[in-house]
Amino acid sequence: DAKTTQPPSMDCAEGRAANLPCNHSTISGNEYVYWYRQIHSQGPQYIIHGLKNNETNEMASLIITEDRKSSTLILPHATLRDTAVYYCIVRVGGNAGNMLTFGGGTRLMVKP
Amino acid sequence: NAGVTQTPKFRILKIGQSMTLQCTQDMNHNYMYWYRQDPGMGLKLIYYSVGAGITDKGEVPNGYNVSRSTTEDFPLRLELAAPSQTSVYFCASSHHTGNTIYFGEGSWLTVV
Repeated sequence: DAKTTQPPSMDCAEGRAANLPCNHSTISGNEYVYWYRQIHSQGPQYIIHGLKNNETNEMASLIITEDRKSSTLILPHATLRDTAVYYCIVRVGGNAGNMLTFGGGTRLMVKP
Repeated sequence: NAGVTQTPKFRILKIGQSMTLQCTQDMNHNYMYWYRQDPGMGLKLIYYSVGAGITDKGEVPNGYNVSRSTTEDFPLRLELAAPSQTSVYFCASSHHTGNTIYFGEGSWLTVV
């Protein structure tokens, strides 16, 4: 799986959009970009994934650059409950047998 | 559905003791995983299983054993507990064609 690089921490004001960047310059053509988050003391939670098109679901939006070397997770209206560590992972999709490799992630702090 | 259930949630072991962390899932998932997470770090894969009767080592298998006699259950055994095994342990599962991995709530283990 390709390596990802994320900033170690970010702050965001409550109610504003949180934009979390991820670099994955060595991503392969068949690798998807996945985002998980881990709220303190809980198990990681799946957020969203995509291959090359932008994706949106009830939790977030995922913007992938045209060259696929970077992506941004957007939480449109961050709340205090969105405070968590966010992990960006690239891996081959549709084959859940591939091991997930979690790096350090970005610690997002949403402030009142 | 209960999802992925782990027991116990907290446990203190003495050096050299043995114990089993239990994990069960009710989603009929083929794939199951055990991860450990040390303080402030990302998750590391210990063992995984692609189906009943099949197990494989992950990134950090030393000191652990697993079995997969049924689709639902994937216990993790520590034979001779060591202080280095103090960590939070997460069990997870996924469908073999799916992209989403579901995590349990974690088991906090302290070896003293």
